[in-house]
Amino acid sequence: EPEVTQTPSHQVTQMGQEVILRCVPISNHLYFYWYRQILGQKVEFLVSFYNNEISEKSEIFDDQFSVERPDGSNFTLKIRSTKLEDSAMYFCASRPHRGTTAEQYFGPGTRLTVT
Amino acid sequence: TQLLEQSPQFLSIQEGENLTVYCNSSSVFSSLQWYRQEPGEGPVLLVTVVTGGEVKKLKRLTFQFGDARKDSSLHITAAQPGDTGLYLCAAPTSGTYKYIFGTGTRLKVLA
Repeated sequence: EPEVTQTPSHQVTQMGQEVILRCVPISNHLYFYWYRQILGQKVEFLVSFYNNEISEKSEIFDDQFSVERPDGSNFTLKIRSTKLEDSAMYFCASRPHRGTTAEQYFGPGTRLTVT
Repeated sequence: TQLLEQSPQFLSIQEGENLTVYCNSSSVFSSLQWYRQEPGEGPVLLVTVVTGGEVKKLKRLTFQFGDARKDSSLHITAAQPGDTGLYLCAAPTSGTYKYIFGTGTRLKVLA
């Protein structure tokens, strides 16, 4: 069964460093998402991406964040200068189309620890 | 601002008991999804409900979407330790590509 994959599973970085989190969405899906979940808190929407551009972003997704689909397969989230409060699980998700019945599938997540 | 509130936040029950968890909002949603999440893993989709009043069954789990599409419930019959996890509801916000998640219900089923 097709699944969303994410790498790495765990990333430790120092404050101020850049990180790139990688995702491979399900191959025939058209909509891609990044979410984050701070330990013990709810899942928060970061950004959605369709047709090679951002569809929507939350207030969390400031200028330090960017997304890219560099090769038609990978979908990346870059944090330019990490802060301690960026420590969280980051989940990628994809869905096949926009319709109300289109289901969203999540990857296993990348645990980002900023020290 | 559209919000999804889940109740209860925590639930600890004995194996074999039945339980219901709720996902409520003052907003109308075009669809609603239920996920289960294990610690350190991504949410796993259980079901999507679309039509007001819709009932879907997944083995011992019964999901219902409210008639007005503002709320949903998940009922588990004869809970088992394998049902332990965090249950999340999520819905697309109207006119956007953005999904919001509920606060979650953390279920623990004791053997």
